[in-house]
Amino acid sequence: AQSVAQPEDQVNVAEGNPLTVKCTYSVSGNPYLFWYVQYPNRGLQFLLKYITGDNLVKGSYGFEAEFNKSQTSFHLKKPSALVSDSALYFCAVRDETGNGGATNKLIFGTGTLLAVQP
Amino acid sequence: DGGITQSPKYLFRKEGQNVTLSCEQNLNHDAMYWYRQDPGQGLRLIYYSQIVNDFQKGDIAEGYSVSREKKESFPLTVTSAQKNPTAFYLCASSPGQLQPQHFGDGTRLSIL
Repeated sequence: AQSVAQPEDQVNVAEGNPLTVKCTYSVSGNPYLFWYVQYPNRGLQFLLKYITGDNLVKGSYGFEAEFNKSQTSFHLKKPSALVSDSALYFCAVRDETGNGGATNKLIFGTGTLLAVQP
Repeated sequence: DGGITQSPKYLFRKEGQNVTLSCEQNLNHDAMYWYRQDPGQGLRLIYYSQIVNDFQKGDIAEGYSVSREKKESFPLTVTSAQKNPTAFYLCASSPGQLQPQHFGDGTRLSIL
């Protein structure tokens, strides 16, 4: 079965320090991966995606993610955290089961709460 | 501005009542999706639609119904058969394969 795992419910980091939010996946075939951010009582905002090509993907607000095929991981990173980065982060993979690829359905992880302390 | 509008922002349901959540988009996207978000469980797909007059069940469709009579609109009805409807409901749309989904700001449904 295809799945996404975010092993950490919460990540705490001091402002100015680098941050990493972890994501691992399990899919049949090529993975198409996404990161989203959610602020309280709001919808999800797209940060970045990996489809093919360079393993380091750059996205919005200074975030980047590193795709590692051998470790089946797609960790989200930022060199210097801001207090305003505090939010809930979701990793997602496109569902490839059946005709899932044609429908662009996503399978989401359970989310990681990022808390950046001043 | 283009986007997805969900209404109402907060909704209360009485026992035995059906309620309808609105989702409207002006992005000209063909595909639309409904998700349910519960704390610690991420997002779970309720229904999705790839084109007008067509929709498919997602992972947790029981107790819910949808319609897609117009490209712009994809309303979700939470029926009385849904015994645990308290959740945050998110609507999304997508322009096509491998393109990110765009989300509305959600409707929070509670039971009176």
